Amino acid sequence: DTEVTQTPKHLVMGMTNKKSLKCEQHMGHRAMYWYKQKAKKPPELMFVYSYEKLSINESVPSRFSPECPNSSLLNLHLHALQPEDSALYLCASSVYLDNEQFFGPGTRLTVL
Amino acid sequence: GEDVEQSLFLSVREGDSSVINCTYTDSSSTYLYWYKQEPGAGLQLLTYIFSNMDMKQDQRLTVLLNKKDKHLSLRIADTQTGDSAIYFCAESTGDNNNDMRFGAGTRLTVKP
Repeated sequence: DTEVTQTPKHLVMGMTNKKSLKCEQHMGHRAMYWYKQKAKKPPELMFVYSYEKLSINESVPSRFSPECPNSSLLNLHLHALQPEDSALYLCASSVYLDNEQFFGPGTRLTVL
Repeated sequence: GEDVEQSLFLSVREGDSSVINCTYTDSSSTYLYWYKQEPGAGLQLLTYIFSNMDMKQDQRLTVLLNKKDKHLSLRIADTQTGDSAIYFCAESTGDNNNDMRFGAGTRLTVKP
């Protein structure tokens, strides 16, 4: 298995909902990342995990809560989001922190 | 902060060569990447180059790096309509943070 998978592909949620995004890789990569990409903009780094520990939090609001339950899985828990949080959320992984990153297809999130 | 800049649009005819240019400002950049993003999709790593290299070729793709001028280019030979996408240049210092910085992306349109 040589890819990063993300579920769901699309998610529509209200501002009071709680939902989670899931990212999975079975390449043995020890670093995993969450990015947010608004339309026609480059991806912006949100969180970095290395060996299942949070390495970087790029001043992301607490309504986004990452979780890395094991080395293959990365979740992003969403609660009380705002319409401006609507974006494509991309997950990536790399062998270690200083290696090239491979991206998943993304989850397109719409917050109503 | 450190910037990565690209021109926003490029249009070529099918069969021609495309050259997408990128400039960056961080002199400590260690790795430079080219990613391709098709509509509604995630980011696909096309190629990357270490800063101690000045050229890398992979089939139809040629990456040229001028470290003195901090200029990176991606040449696509025999461009096809399937090459139409947004191409992102990115750089990182390759340290333990692997904070990758992306350019705004160049939208390549290939006309038949």
